[in-house]
Amino acid sequence: ETGVTQTPRHLVMGMTNKKSLKCEQHLGHNAMYWYKQSAKKPLELMFVYSLEERVENNSVPSRFSPECPNSSHLFLHLHTLQPEDSALYLCASSHRLAGRDEQFFGPGTRLTVL
Amino acid sequence: AQSVTQPDIHITVSEGASLELRCNYSYGATPYLFWYVQSPGQGLQLLLKYFSGDTLVQGIKGFEAEFKRSQSSFNLRKPSVHWSDAAEYFCAGKPGAGGTSYGKLTFGQGTILTVHP
Repeated sequence: ETGVTQTPRHLVMGMTNKKSLKCEQHLGHNAMYWYKQSAKKPLELMFVYSLEERVENNSVPSRFSPECPNSSHLFLHLHTLQPEDSALYLCASSHRLAGRDEQFFGPGTRLTVL
Repeated sequence: AQSVTQPDIHITVSEGASLELRCNYSYGATPYLFWYVQSPGQGLQLLLKYFSGDTLVQGIKGFEAEFKRSQSSFNLRKPSVHWSDAAEYFCAGKPGAGGTSYGKLTFGQGTILTVHP
């Protein structure tokens, strides 16, 4: 595997379900990100993990819970979601060096909440 | 407030024609700027980036962008568009040297490019 991979690619869940999204980067980067992409809205940064420490939570609802067990893996745990949470969830990674880091994105997980 | 704006939601060009996609930014100091492309059902692919130095930046797939401080712009250009360039294009920015960004990119709303044969 190369680059940034995400599983599953598609997910349909009910409002009472619990599921997790997985992201893995094979680039040796030291920062990972979760973004939400909704129709007709700019990409929204949800979480940043740098050197395994979460450094920003962009006022995301608590029904989204990130986990970063090491620099290569990132999870997004989902529970009691709402239909408006249906979106494309994108993971990205970068090698942070004085801010001059470009982010590499995975293909995304298309989430539908019924 | 720091922001990135793409004024055009949708642009249509003929194959072989030239292309310019607009991006305007609002930052206190010179930001770091990026252009990404997204094909349907895919993630974002980096086309090019600007950190400092030469204001004309070359990227992949024959794209280039020019940083213009006086106009607060970072427009993306391509001299001859191919049908495979049809996609959505995103401009993004973050605070530059001396900024505390924690990697936070601010994205524009995106511009959908349609290419006619």
